[in-house]
Amino acid sequence: GEDVEQSLFLSVREGDSSVINCTYTDSSSTYLYWYKQEPGAGLQLLTYIFSNMDMKQDQRLTVLLNKKDKHLSLRIADTQTGDSAIYFCAESIGGFKTIFGAGTRLFVKA
Amino acid sequence: NAGVTQTPKFQVLKTGQSMTLQCAQDMNHNSMYWYRQDPGMGLRLIYYSASEGTTDKGEVPNGYNVSRLNKREFSLRLESAAPSQTSVYFCASSDSATYEQYFGPGTRLTVT
Repeated sequence: GEDVEQSLFLSVREGDSSVINCTYTDSSSTYLYWYKQEPGAGLQLLTYIFSNMDMKQDQRLTVLLNKKDKHLSLRIADTQTGDSAIYFCAESIGGFKTIFGAGTRLFVKA
Repeated sequence: NAGVTQTPKFQVLKTGQSMTLQCAQDMNHNSMYWYRQDPGMGLRLIYYSASEGTTDKGEVPNGYNVSRLNKREFSLRLESAAPSQTSVYFCASSDSATYEQYFGPGTRLTVT
């Protein structure tokens, strides 16, 4: 069945780059997403990539997609304490169905 | 422009009680969703509504019912609450071009 996997925790120092990784199983994904969840809040879309793209850059965020290995990554440059949150990888399959990973909790140490 | 709103924010129920979670969006989206979030499990889809007048089961629909009241509103009902339904419930709506979803702030439900 469809599944999205990501590591549960990542700790970085302020100013360093963070790289959050994700693997997915369904090769028919159309869009892949990164969402951010801050404490006590809902998920907020950070960025998305269409499945025929390899890379997307948006200010401090870089998304890399390796379709052959079904691997998605999110790089946050110059990580700040305000980036501390849970980051969810998700894939859209056939439109309305979106599969979410369990989330990676990012800790940023000052 | 409030986006997606949910009520209530918190709720405590006793086993067997019923309640309805309300959700509304003001972005003119056709599609709406209900998820539950449990620790270490990500989000699991309970029900979704692709458009006004339609609803479909998601991954974990048992114990829940939904109503798409109009294009703006999508409610989730627990007829007889069970402790296994203790969770955080999120409503979302989506853009039909890229299916990116916009989430409400969540309802934290505890069933004792």
